[in-house]
Amino acid sequence: KAGVTQTPRYLIKTRGQQVTLSCSPISGHRSVSWYQQTPGQGLQFLFEYFSETQRNKGNFPGRFSGRQFSNSRSEMNVSTLELGDSALYLCASSLEGGGNQPQHFGDGTRLSIL
Amino acid sequence: DAKTTQPPSMDCAEGRAANLPCNHSTISGNEYVYWYRQIHSQGPQYIIHGLKNNETNEMASLIITEDRKSSTLILPHATLRDTAVYYCIVRNTGGFKTIFGAGTRLFVKA
Repeated sequence: KAGVTQTPRYLIKTRGQQVTLSCSPISGHRSVSWYQQTPGQGLQFLFEYFSETQRNKGNFPGRFSGRQFSNSRSEMNVSTLELGDSALYLCASSLEGGGNQPQHFGDGTRLSIL
Repeated sequence: DAKTTQPPSMDCAEGRAANLPCNHSTISGNEYVYWYRQIHSQGPQYIIHGLKNNETNEMASLIITEDRKSSTLILPHATLRDTAVYYCIVRNTGGFKTIFGAGTRLFVKA
């Protein structure tokens, strides 16, 4: 069974640009969550999608947004990029997002802002 | 979601058992204890989870105290490839605002 796939693996952007990251969950998984990982703040929850609806949201500005498609694939968008947005962005999927269902992570997209 | 406390780093000799502690004194009755590990440049890898009872799988064992305020992850025969950052987190049955702490950096030495 294929794992969580994130594309691209690496991305370089400049301040002010916008970026879209993609996540394909494990087949049959309907819950997709996004996290930001930085050396200073660690792993921080961005948002979770289930059945094409945002179900939970972390404490990030509105520049960070996402969406989920009917096949459960998800995209995350960051607009007006800032230097502080440089991070590893991780996607995780689970069956339905319940507390007894493990999340499985992809290897992330490393975003660098110049 | 409850917060967890872990030691920042631990050492373990190759072939010996690695016992990683986690404190979650504010855990609620409907919150599960999860363990993940992260090797540099990879996403976190799920290891094991439990609610009240001890759990074992092919990777590790999870021991949860009776009052559920702490737990221990046991890697029975640590190898060099087990060197990683180990995260202990708690999650409730609804919602998904999972909070990761700083984790424990485990060094397995030959």
